[in-house]
Amino acid sequence: GENVEQHPSTLSVQEGDSAVIKCTYSDSASNYFPWYKQELGKRPQLIIDIRSNVGEKKDQRIAVTLNKTAKHFSLHITETQPEDSAVYFCAASWASGSRLTFGEGTQLTVNP
Amino acid sequence: DSGVTQTPKHLITATGQRVTLRCSPRSGDLSVYWYQQSLDQGLQFLIHYYNGEERAKGNILERFSAQQFPDLHSELNLSSLELGDSALYFCASSVFGYLDTEAFFGQGTRLTVV
Repeated sequence: GENVEQHPSTLSVQEGDSAVIKCTYSDSASNYFPWYKQELGKRPQLIIDIRSNVGEKKDQRIAVTLNKTAKHFSLHITETQPEDSAVYFCAASWASGSRLTFGEGTQLTVNP
Repeated sequence: DSGVTQTPKHLITATGQRVTLRCSPRSGDLSVYWYQQSLDQGLQFLIHYYNGEERAKGNILERFSAQQFPDLHSELNLSSLELGDSALYFCASSVFGYLDTEAFFGQGTRLTVV
């Protein structure tokens, strides 16, 4: 089955800096890659997603890049703010897939 | 609010007991997914139902079972509970039977086994 690895497990940055979280996946048939943000004790919420026919997608301060050949994708957050502090999960699925396989999560802390 | 409703929000029960967690998907969504999140852990896929039928099973214990009813709500039954079953249980819903679009998560049920 699909396996998704996520790095780093913790990331601490200063407010205004950029943060990058990286994930690799094992199943070359995967074609949908969402990123979820989870605040403590709350539900995961989608922040951005990308499909395999696109190499990069941006939404304001958040961007995701995908390298299908290397089977890895990354989340980039620019101009970080304290409210960006949360756990971020990457995930992968495939067109006929019946599940999202999540990475282990990255605890991002943005220090004021 | 994601539109996915889970009840109860909190549940405290003793070892050996049985509990039922309930999930109502967003209006129009046919798929329900169940995930388990233990303390400081990621989201582990348990099971997926689409329009009343089981579509996929993940790391779901034999003590756990689920079903999706004709009105599309789903229930996750956990029996012979052990301390290690304490976790946040999330359900998520999506429109189709496959995942290439957003899955919406409920707020979760926090299960504590004592």
